Amino acid sequence: DGGITQSPKYLFRKEGQNVTLSCEQNLNHDAMYWYRQDPGQGLRLIYYSQIVNDFQKGDIAEGYSVSREKKESFPLTVTSAQKNPTAFYLCASSIGAGARDNQPQHFGDGTRLSIL
Amino acid sequence: GIQVEQSPPDLILQEGANSTLRCNFSDSVNNLQWFHQNPWGQLINLFYIPSGTKQNGRLSATTVATERYSLLYISSSQTTDSGVYFCAVGGGGGATNKLIFGTGTLLAVQP
Repeated sequence: DGGITQSPKYLFRKEGQNVTLSCEQNLNHDAMYWYRQDPGQGLRLIYYSQIVNDFQKGDIAEGYSVSREKKESFPLTVTSAQKNPTAFYLCASSIGAGARDNQPQHFGDGTRLSIL
Repeated sequence: GIQVEQSPPDLILQEGANSTLRCNFSDSVNNLQWFHQNPWGQLINLFYIPSGTKQNGRLSATTVATERYSLLYISSSQTTDSGVYFCAVGGGGGATNKLIFGTGTLLAVQP
């Protein structure tokens, strides 16, 4: 079945460590996105990528990094510079990312990151 | 940037009741989606509805883009409808289809 796979579902990190969250899609979508959700809040955009080898900062990019070496993969690294990394992280994809593409975003099941 | 407001913030229903959730947004948009987030955190696409009206079973949605609001109707509610309903908009005159989320409506359906 086509879809978006995020792994792991739960992740624990010691302070000062970098961790990488995986996001893979087999929908042949060009655009991919990373969002963060804090308890009782909506989602906020961290990074997005419109095409392979290109990505842009979202609203809360500080302390995060991404890469887009393959169309189907968009890993997110939470670095030690992110002071409050405990959150629920969701990955999404869409056919395109331009404003004229006018296409819905589809989401993975998320990764819960906690600090030990 | 574009602002998204959802109302009510929370809602308690008896099973079988109907409800209307509202989403107001502050700018023109190219994308509007309604999601249901279940207790396990999964975000489920309900509707992609930048304009017009759509129906899917007991759920329907209407977006009046010129007046910058969207409504989600839930009829004959069931306990499995419980969770958080999010409205998210994209476009907003910008160059990319980034989604801006509202803070959600927390729905509890009691048996």
